[in-house]
Amino acid sequence: DGGITQSPKYLFRKEGQNVTLSCEQNLNHDAMYWYRQDPGQGLRLIYYSQIVNDFQKGDIAEGYSVSREKKESFPLTVTSAQKNPTAFYLCASSMSRGAYEQYFGPGTRLTVT
Amino acid sequence: GENVEQHPSTLSVQEGDSAVIKCTYSDSASNYFPWYKQELGKRPQLIIDIRSNVGEKKDQRIAVTLNKTAKHFSLHITETQPEDSAVYFCAASSGVNAGGTSYGKLTFGQGTILTVHP
Repeated sequence: DGGITQSPKYLFRKEGQNVTLSCEQNLNHDAMYWYRQDPGQGLRLIYYSQIVNDFQKGDIAEGYSVSREKKESFPLTVTSAQKNPTAFYLCASSMSRGAYEQYFGPGTRLTVT
Repeated sequence: GENVEQHPSTLSVQEGDSAVIKCTYSDSASNYFPWYKQELGKRPQLIIDIRSNVGEKKDQRIAVTLNKTAKHFSLHITETQPEDSAVYFCAASSGVNAGGTSYGKLTFGQGTILTVHP
């Protein structure tokens, strides 16, 4: 199913806590992406990375942070500054920069109460 | 930045009928247009894509058409089956940012919930 994994599948946190979502790929892809999915709003880009040690903000980066220390890994931290963190989070990767197919992970459903 | 509008938001058809979903985009520099299918609780999966140098592409029961002048593209599903029921997303990518560096940032439409009734 693609070689891109996310863990955990479900995550529950109390308001005010930071939480880190894992994303790993063994496809040897250079580019990785984080999306947030809310009902009726499609997928919105949070952060993306084209190469190790480099990443850029997407359309809704406020309250999130990322790192890209290894090619295979692109963890996303949802900080306490994110006002509405409950959502379905999807990680994706693509072969390289440019217009290439993005492969998605299975997603993590985060619930913050 | 790019803006993608997708219609309709819901579509209900009888098995065997055709289904058409339409998207418009705003950035004339966009040159890659994928369509993703997402079943309930699953990850989005690419079903077909088209690049701006092509006007139409077909893969069995699925086809995509692109009108660059009007900046819209459409997904056509023929002979629909109950297993086609899912949420479908269109997306657009320019492949190049203002600084001239290429990247694969996709902007997605809001999605269409397709229901195929047996």
